[in-house]
This record gives sequence, C-alpha cells and structure tokens, in this order.
Amino acid sequence: AQRVTQPEKLLSVFKGAPVELKCNYSYSGSPELFWYVQYSRQRLQLLLRHISRESIKGFTADLNKGETSFHLKKPFAQEEDSAMYYCASIGGRRALTFGSGTRLQVQP
Amino acid sequence: EADIYQTPRYLVIGTGKKITLECSQTMGHDKMYWYQQDPGMELHLIHYSYGVNSTEKGDLSSESTVSRIRTEHFPLTLESARPSHTSQYLCASSPRGENEQYFGPGTRLTVT
Repeated sequence: AQRVTQPEKLLSVFKGAPVELKCNYSYSGSPELFWYVQYSRQRLQLLLRHISRESIKGFTADLNKGETSFHLKKPFAQEEDSAMYYCASIGGRRALTFGSGTRLQVQP
Repeated sequence: EADIYQTPRYLVIGTGKKITLECSQTMGHDKMYWYQQDPGMELHLIHYSYGVNSTEKGDLSSESTVSRIRTEHFPLTLESARPSHTSQYLCASSPRGENEQYFGPGTRLTVT
C-alpha cells in the first residue's frame, strides 16, 4: 500500500526565512506527487504537481526518487504562506494518498 | 461557474438518524471521491467512483454507502448515524486521464 509521511506537524519560521516542508513516499513504481494547501477557512486546493515542474507562489518541489522524497521549498517565507500543507501521491488506478499534513506558521 | 458543491456545510444530528451528504460537480469530471478527515489529521479515502454506476470502497472502512446515478452527483449516505461518524467529509473530483483532484468545501458532521 502507498504511504506518504510528513514528519513535522508544525513548522514555525519568521518572515523572510527559508522554508522546507518534508514529504517522503513509499511506492515501488513511479508515483505522481502533489502538494495541496489549505488556507484558513478555505477549501483544499492544489499548489503544485511534480510533473509540471513549475514554481507556484514561490514554492518549488523536486522529486528525489533515490530518497523517495518530494520536499516543498520556498527561499523566503511570507506571512500569507501560513496554512496547512498536505503532500499526496498516486500510483496505479486509485485515488490520492495524503500525508498527515504540516501546519506552516510564518511569524512577522 | 464550474465548481464542486457540498451540502450541508454543517450538520448536527442525533444518534440513529439517517443522513445523506450531497456532492455535485459542474466540471464534467468522470471521477469522484469521498474523503474523511478528523481535525488536523490526514485525509482518508472512503469511497470513489470512476463513472456512472461505478463505485468502490476506499482504504478506510466506512459504514457509509454511495451511489453514482448521474455523472455530476455523488451522494454519501449513513443509514444510522453514530457519534463515531463525527468528522469532516470532503468530496473531490478529477477529469478523465488526470490525477489532480478538485475539492469541495466539505461537510462538518457532528453526531450527538
């Protein structure tokens, strides 16, 4: 079975500091990886996906197959980045498997 | 406007009642999903559907049932609600050939 691990429940940084939200997956094939974000009182929404290799709101994520990781990074955190972040993977025919989420708190 | 809708947004109900959580999408997506999420916890897949008359159980065992009679509609039913069903229920959809999922606003269910 697929498994997605986000080891940090809470990550607190100051504005302007670099951010790295960790995500590790377990899947023997080639999964598709995603990062979803949920801002306060808003619905869960897609932030980025590894196959598009793009930067969204300054965030990037690189798939490292050797380490089975898909960490989310941003060089300079902003207060508006404070939210809940979920890593998700899918391999095969079913639906997304989500990690337990990391709450990012950016302090002024 | 193309979107995914869930009603009700909040529901407080007594033990033993039958409830149906509604989910509709106007995006023309083939695939639809139901997730259960406790506050601050991960999402657990409870049901999914790849199209009309196709439904499958997800990873988390659930006493709920679903139906998919129309492409745009994917209701979830609990025949007899219990306090253990208290949770948030998220509906999602994705287009054919894509794995990206679009989420509804959720229904927060409390069973007293």
